[in-house]
Amino acid sequence: EAQVTQNPRYLITVTGKKLTVTCSQNMNHEYMSWYRQDPGLGLRQIYYSMNVEVTDKGDVPEGYKVSRKEKRNFPLILESPSPNQTSLYFCASSPRRGVGYFGPGTRLTVT
Amino acid sequence: RKEVEQDPGPFNVPEGATVAFNCTYSNSASQSFFWYRQDCRKEPKLLMSVYSSGNEDGRFTAQLNRASQYISLLIRDSKLSDSATYLCVVNGGSSASKIIFGSGTRLSIRP
Repeated sequence: EAQVTQNPRYLITVTGKKLTVTCSQNMNHEYMSWYRQDPGLGLRQIYYSMNVEVTDKGDVPEGYKVSRKEKRNFPLILESPSPNQTSLYFCASSPRRGVGYFGPGTRLTVT
Repeated sequence: RKEVEQDPGPFNVPEGATVAFNCTYSNSASQSFFWYRQDCRKEPKLLMSVYSSGNEDGRFTAQLNRASQYISLLIRDSKLSDSATYLCVVNGGSSASKIIFGSGTRLSIRP
């Protein structure tokens, strides 16, 4: 079954404690991206990757890092999370530049 | 001005009605357009791409008006299951790889 998986699905953490949200796709897609969704602001792109070892900033990259060492995986790293990063996060993959398929989401709360 | 704007709704229409919503975009260089559907607390799912000539998928029709810089979605014979938030997505805003989401239009179909 073609899918995008994210883990964890829910996470409550404290300010400053580094965390990683994993994203994996089994469709051999080249393009992957991360979004955050906040009430009233909609979905905003954090980072995207056109292929292995190729990543670029989206609209709201501050406070986030990504890596693309393998085609299937695109983890999102928060080195020092802050409360304003409390949000619903989605990973997405697509065979070419675009949005394509979303993962189920990760609800992150930073206290 | 937002790069992609949608009427947030909610649109509350009876089952069987026809409903349409528009989405305007600010960058005339935008290259591709999509409609996504998002159910409460779930990930967005691709509903349909929007082609220059307009396209139809069952009860759904999407149109693009480049001159006036808007896309539209028409739903005919609406079903209760059409209740969701509809997101307009524009690819290639101020940069070729940039993907911009509208904030979404909430649709509620009543029996």
